[in-house]
Formats: sequence, structure tokens, C-alpha cells
Amino acid sequence: SAVISQKPSRDICQRGTSLTIQCQVDSQVTMMFWYRQQPGQSLTLIATANQGSEATYESGFVIDKFPISRPNLTFSTLTVSNMSPEDSSIYLCSGGRPVRRSSSGYADTQYFGPGTRLTVL
Amino acid sequence: AQSVTQLDSQVPVFEEAPVELRCNYSSSVSVYLFWYVQYPNQGLQLLLKYLSGSTLVKGINGFEAEFNKSQTSFHLRKPSVHISDTAEYFCAVTTAARGGTSYGKLTFGQGTILTVHP
Repeated sequence: SAVISQKPSRDICQRGTSLTIQCQVDSQVTMMFWYRQQPGQSLTLIATANQGSEATYESGFVIDKFPISRPNLTFSTLTVSNMSPEDSSIYLCSGGRPVRRSSSGYADTQYFGPGTRLTVL
Repeated sequence: AQSVTQLDSQVPVFEEAPVELRCNYSSSVSVYLFWYVQYPNQGLQLLLKYLSGSTLVKGINGFEAEFNKSQTSFHLRKPSVHISDTAEYFCAVTTAARGGTSYGKLTFGQGTILTVHP
């Protein structure tokens, strides 16, 4: 499996402020993603973090609200901007790592960090 | 586009009983399938995956799943559960088509909370 770490593990923030979450992956990871898990919900993909270029956002998520950087292959940050209580969620970073299939070739398998539990008051 | 349906939101079971967590998917292209487990206040851990080959895949902690292409299902099973298996389980799918815009992106089901009672 891949080694993925995130920090902070949790935070409590005031409305209107911003929080930057950091994600560090091991060198075997190729693709990196950010997900949100709202209370009692499943995971929703926010964006694909692209190395050295702008992230690719999913429908419903915009760069102004969730700016993402990936300056190198193994590090990415997600900022939650101008927070409101609706942003209270777990934010998870994942890394895709090529895994050999039983037949020929490789397939990417995603491994997840421990998540950042964010509470906005 | 792809989608995943987990048919049971909650599954209560007694310790040492067998369990099956159901997952159905929908996709117009070939897919890879995964089961993840989330213990309370933790991130997601990969349980098992189907990439190709044998349709019966074995994972960690005694879990296994069977890929059924005709029924578009990937149900998770364990013959005898333990208290420590209490967690939320997520089925997920990603497209196998390299180069497409959806490649590598996981679509998750809504999750099944497995509660094992003594």
C-alpha cells in the first residue's frame, strides 16, 4: 500500500476564515485526489490535483472556494476558503498507485490518508 | 458516467455469523471495483479490489468479494464476523479506460454500516 499522511488531523475554525490542509504521499503515487465526506455521507470527489498546473474540479466545486496546489509529485494542499458551517466535513486526500493486475498491465489503486476533520463554527 | 448502489444502509449481525454487504454498479465501460472500510474517526482503508482475472477476490481481515459482470454486482462477504469488524464499508468503482477524463476517479456508494453484536 501507499503511505499517505495529512495534517492537521482536525481543526475547529471560525466562519469566514480559511484553512489549508497538507497531504504528503510516497514516491510510488502518480495521481492525487481530494475528497469531501460530509457528516453521515459518502465521499464526493472535489478535484484531481495536477502536478505543476491547475487542478481539475468536479461539478459543484470551484477554484475560488477550494484552491489546490501540487508543486511536486508527492505533495499537495487543499485550502477551504471563506468557511461557513456547511463546510464542516472530513476532507481526505488520496493517491493513485499503479498495481499489477493478474493479467498484463497495471491499474491505479487509490489509497487514502487519515483525513482532516473540520468543524466550522 | 458510472454509479454505485449499496443496497443496505445498515446491517446488524451477531458475532460469528456470516455477512454479505451488497453492491451494484452501473457503467458503460470496463471498470475496476473496490471495497474500502472506515473505522470510527479514521480514514479509509482498502479491503480488496477487482482489477482483472479471477472474479473471486480475497482481501484483508477474512473478507472476500465476487465480481459478477452479468449482474453488475460486487458483493462483499465474510463467513464469520468479529466485533472488530464494526465499521462503515464503501463500495467504489473507477473506469478502466486509461486516457479518459474519468480515469482514476472513484465513485463511491452511500456506504453500509456494519454493526456486529456480541
